[in-house]
Amino acid sequence: DGGITQSPKYLFRKEGQNVTLSCEQNLNHDAMYWYRQDPGQGLRLIYYSQIVNDFQKGDIAEGYSVSREKKESFPLTVTSAQKNPTAFYLCASSNRLYNEQFFGPGTRLTVL
Amino acid sequence: GQSLEQPSEVTAVEGAIVQINCTYQTSGFYGLSWYQQHDGGAPTFLSYNALDGLEETGRFSSFLSRSDSYGYLLLQELQMKDSASYFCAVRDQSTGDDKIIFGKGTRLHILP
Repeated sequence: DGGITQSPKYLFRKEGQNVTLSCEQNLNHDAMYWYRQDPGQGLRLIYYSQIVNDFQKGDIAEGYSVSREKKESFPLTVTSAQKNPTAFYLCASSNRLYNEQFFGPGTRLTVL
Repeated sequence: GQSLEQPSEVTAVEGAIVQINCTYQTSGFYGLSWYQQHDGGAPTFLSYNALDGLEETGRFSSFLSRSDSYGYLLLQELQMKDSASYFCAVRDQSTGDDKIIFGKGTRLHILP
């Protein structure tokens, strides 16, 4: 079955540590996205990538970094520079027309 | 810049009809999408409107008026499982890159 996987589902880290969230898709989609969602809030775009080896900053990229070395993978690193990293992180992918985004199950990150 | 406005909460009765409105402001509008998200879950795609008019998919319909920068999601024969948050999203090309911007979401409460 095609889809998007994110791991882990829950992640706990100490303040000051970098952490990398995994996102893999086998839908053969060119575009991939990372969103952050806080309780009762909408989705805010962190980074997105339209093709391999290329990515663009979204609205809240500060304190985050990404890579797109393979079409299937788009990992997100939450660095110690991110002031308030505790949130629900969602990865998505779409075909080039962007009519529909497919979302992974999300990773809930808690920084202690 | 871009902005989307939708009500934060709407309450309706099981079996009834409810309309969730969305107004947007963007200089590079390309289309309006709707997503559903249950608590703790990932958003799932409901509909996409690129042209004016009504799109119907089962109990759900979506409408777009490009001249009014306005759209709505119409849910008919409401069921308890429709209790969720609903997000409108615009496909935007104002920055030269093709990306999707989400609204803050409308929480739909359904009363028995």
